[in-house]
Amino acid sequence: AQSVTQPDIHITVSEGASLELRCNYSYGATPYLFWYVQSPGQGLQLLLKYFSGDTLVQGIKGFEAEFKRSQSSFNLRKPSVHWSDAAEYFCAVGPSNAGNNRKLIWGLGTSLAVNP
Amino acid sequence: DAGVIQSPRHEVTEMGQEVTLRCKPISGHNSLFWYRQTMMRGLELLIYFNNNVPIDDSGMPEDRFSAKMPNASFSTLKIQPSEPRDSAVYFCASSKDREAYNEQFFGPGTRLTVL
Repeated sequence: AQSVTQPDIHITVSEGASLELRCNYSYGATPYLFWYVQSPGQGLQLLLKYFSGDTLVQGIKGFEAEFKRSQSSFNLRKPSVHWSDAAEYFCAVGPSNAGNNRKLIWGLGTSLAVNP
Repeated sequence: DAGVIQSPRHEVTEMGQEVTLRCKPISGHNSLFWYRQTMMRGLELLIYFNNNVPIDDSGMPEDRFSAKMPNASFSTLKIQPSEPRDSAVYFCASSKDREAYNEQFFGPGTRLTVL
């Protein structure tokens, strides 16, 4: 079955600390991978995506993620967290041979709190 | 450019009433998605359209839900009759697709409360 697992429901870090949010997926085909962020009361915004090539991808707001095929993971990282990073983070997976299929499989999200 | 526009932003209604949620995608985008977000189930895709044609409606919970996209600039999601368990935040998103995925741009959402 196709699924995305974000093992951590809630994470709290101190401002300036490093961050890693985990994402594991189960997918029958070669996936496209995404991280989105949702600030309180807002819609979702794309942070970064992986389609092919370099397995370490850079995104907006200083975030990066690394695709590890052998571990079926796509973890999100940031070296130094800012208070404004407090939000909900979603990992999503879609088929690389999408054709007319644009359906993404979403994780349940990880809520990030940042202590001053 | 304006982003995805959704209306209303908040809707409170009573059980049994009809609810219509509206979405205006970003101009030039040819895919449109309706999502529902709840604490229990997270983000669920209800239906998506490509070039105004429904492609996958397998996420529509039941016949009480219907969605239309009469033209490239407008879509509606209707619930009739509404039930308390329909209370959620409903998001519309659009994307401009070619050979591969492009970013889905999300609207601010409609928070629906059914009493």
